[in-house]
Amino acid sequence: QEQLVESGGGVVQPGTSLRLSCAASGFTFNNYGVHWVRQPPGKGLEWVAVTSHDGGKNYYGDSVKGRFATSRDNSKNTVFLQMDSLRVEDTAIYYCARDATALAVTGFFDLWGQGTLVTVSS
Amino acid sequence: AVQMTQFPSSLSASIGDRVTITCRASQGIRNDLGWYQVKPGKAPKVLIYDASTLQSGVPSRFSGRGSGTDFTLTISSLQPEDSATYYCLQDYQYPRTFGQGTKVEIK
Repeated sequence: QEQLVESGGGVVQPGTSLRLSCAASGFTFNNYGVHWVRQPPGKGLEWVAVTSHDGGKNYYGDSVKGRFATSRDNSKNTVFLQMDSLRVEDTAIYYCARDATALAVTGFFDLWGQGTLVTVSS
Repeated sequence: AVQMTQFPSSLSASIGDRVTITCRASQGIRNDLGWYQVKPGKAPKVLIYDASTLQSGVPSRFSGRGSGTDFTLTISSLQPEDSATYYCLQDYQYPRTFGQGTKVEIK
């Protein structure tokens, strides 16, 4: 069964860091790019970042560029989102999602995790 | 960045009604658009990709149309389980951008 499971969320103070993980199973992980998408409480979806199947291409949304970094460890079937200089407005459920296009990051999102909640509050 | 304008922001309809949601892109995006359904506490789910291709396992009452800048998602006969928020997402270029969402409620 194909699956993505996020972890690492929690409550942190503004200005601090947090690292999220997205563990994959049930498919050939190193063939697919993985995106991060977030949803603040009561608000809509926002695309955050993507890492390509081999980690060679990473793109970021304007609101997180320079503060967040995504990477992957294909030996562990896991993608990471390192979040630094966190702000109150980064509070959201963070989802990871698989890019449907093998060996590229040009497709739609065909598999999603259940999400992990990040709360940034003093 | 490509801006996606989605409307209406919410709607209320009866079981069996035909419902249409619209997304407009700030520039041409070919047919590089998907539609996603989000229910509280559940993982988002893709319904339509490439503007009009139904994802495997999605009921045929969902359909998508459009190309360039104007796109629609239609539910031909609204069912109770369709109560959710729907988003369009352009995959034409980075950064990817979502529409603002449409909350569909059952009367």
